[in-house]
Amino acid sequence: EVQLVESGGGLVQPGGSLRLSCATSGFTFSSYSMNWVRQASGKGPEWISYISAGSDHILYADSVKGRFTISRDNARNSLYLQMNSLRVEDTAVYYCARRAGYGNDYFDYWDQGTLVTVSS
Amino acid sequence: EVVMTQSPATLSVSPGERATLSCRASQSVTSKVAWYQQKPGQAPRLLIVAASTRATGIPARFSGSGSGTEFTLTISSLQSEDFADYYCQEYHIWPPTFGQGTKLEFK
Repeated sequence: EVQLVESGGGLVQPGGSLRLSCATSGFTFSSYSMNWVRQASGKGPEWISYISAGSDHILYADSVKGRFTISRDNARNSLYLQMNSLRVEDTAVYYCARRAGYGNDYFDYWDQGTLVTVSS
Repeated sequence: EVVMTQSPATLSVSPGERATLSCRASQSVTSKVAWYQQKPGQAPRLLIVAASTRATGIPARFSGSGSGTEFTLTISSLQSEDFADYYCQEYHIWPPTFGQGTKLEFK
């Protein structure tokens, strides 16, 4: 059974930092590209970052470029998101999500999500 | 990026009835549209890919159609567990983008 379990969310002040982690099991993590998707309250999801299986291809949404860093550790079957210079508008539930496969940029498995609140 | 516009924002339907949800893309996305169901406090659940193919384990009462810029998700006979939020997502043009959602509620 595919499982993704996220940790690291919480309350942070504007300008602060947080690191999200997503531990996976039940599939060959090193064979799949992974993503971070966030969802502000009452809004649709927003894709924010992508990392290829071998970490050689990384992409960010303009809204987080230069502030967020995606990474992965295939030996630990884990995905990470380092979030710096956080803004109030970054407040959202953050999900790690598996890309379905090459050429199929939809998300077939998601974790339960973690709330990140940026507020003073 | 492609803007995905869903309508209506809220759809009130009775159990057993048919529900039809719409999604329009701001430019052609061929058939590369996915649909997700989301219940409160849960992650989105993949329902439909390639506009009309049900994902693994999705009941046959869910069907999708469309291509180009107009897409539809139909739930043929609503069950109590189907009342939720629904989102479309295009994956033809990078970055992938989602609609703002349709809330399916009890009438």
